[in-house]
Amino acid sequence: NAGVTQTPKFRVLKTGQSMTLLCAQDMNHEYMYWYRQDPGMGLRLIHYSVGEGTTAKGEVPDGYNVSRLKKQNFLLGLESAAPSQTSVYFCASATGAGRLYGYTFGSGTRLTVV
Amino acid sequence: QQQVKQSPQSLIVQKGGISIINCAYENTAFDYFPWYQQFPGKGPALLIAIRPDVSEKKEGRFTISFNKSAKQFSLHIMDSQPGDSATYFCAASIRAGFQKLVFGTGTRLLVSP
Repeated sequence: NAGVTQTPKFRVLKTGQSMTLLCAQDMNHEYMYWYRQDPGMGLRLIHYSVGEGTTAKGEVPDGYNVSRLKKQNFLLGLESAAPSQTSVYFCASATGAGRLYGYTFGSGTRLTVV
Repeated sequence: QQQVKQSPQSLIVQKGGISIINCAYENTAFDYFPWYQQFPGKGPALLIAIRPDVSEKKEGRFTISFNKSAKQFSLHIMDSQPGDSATYFCAASIRAGFQKLVFGTGTRLLVSP
């Protein structure tokens, strides 16, 4: 049982380059989320999805796009990377059946934009 | 805008001592308050959670105390162990909010041997 898998684990981008972060879950969870973690700022919600084909903006969506074409996958895209997007990105999933079990997080993607 | 304020930013406790982390919120619509534990290089993991209809929840050495009138809640770690050294996040969510969690800024706990 893999849970939530994020790829890649590390990436260095040059300013202006684009990339896609992949999140895959095998728990049949309805909800999926992308957070970024920065020192002193905790985890901030970028985008989220409540089901296949649906996405919504979170607290800090600017500069990011997402897609959820399949229930098990949630992609986070950076069209033109900026140094301010240097961060650790976490994907999480949750069942829509209730909050008892909380989020299952992936192990993160450390992105550096130079 | 940070809707959940967490303190302290870092904490050093001796083995066997009590670790206390505090959080405060403003949004009275929040109705679920979990704590997450994160070890270096890993994603956060659910530790314990409480709803506002109870004032305290205990699971092993971990206890959440909740004060609805003050809009504050705290995590107490009794008999702290070096293995408890991690970053702890409080969070809050609204039932109708698709389980979107608003996280505090985190507390880095170090338990010295």
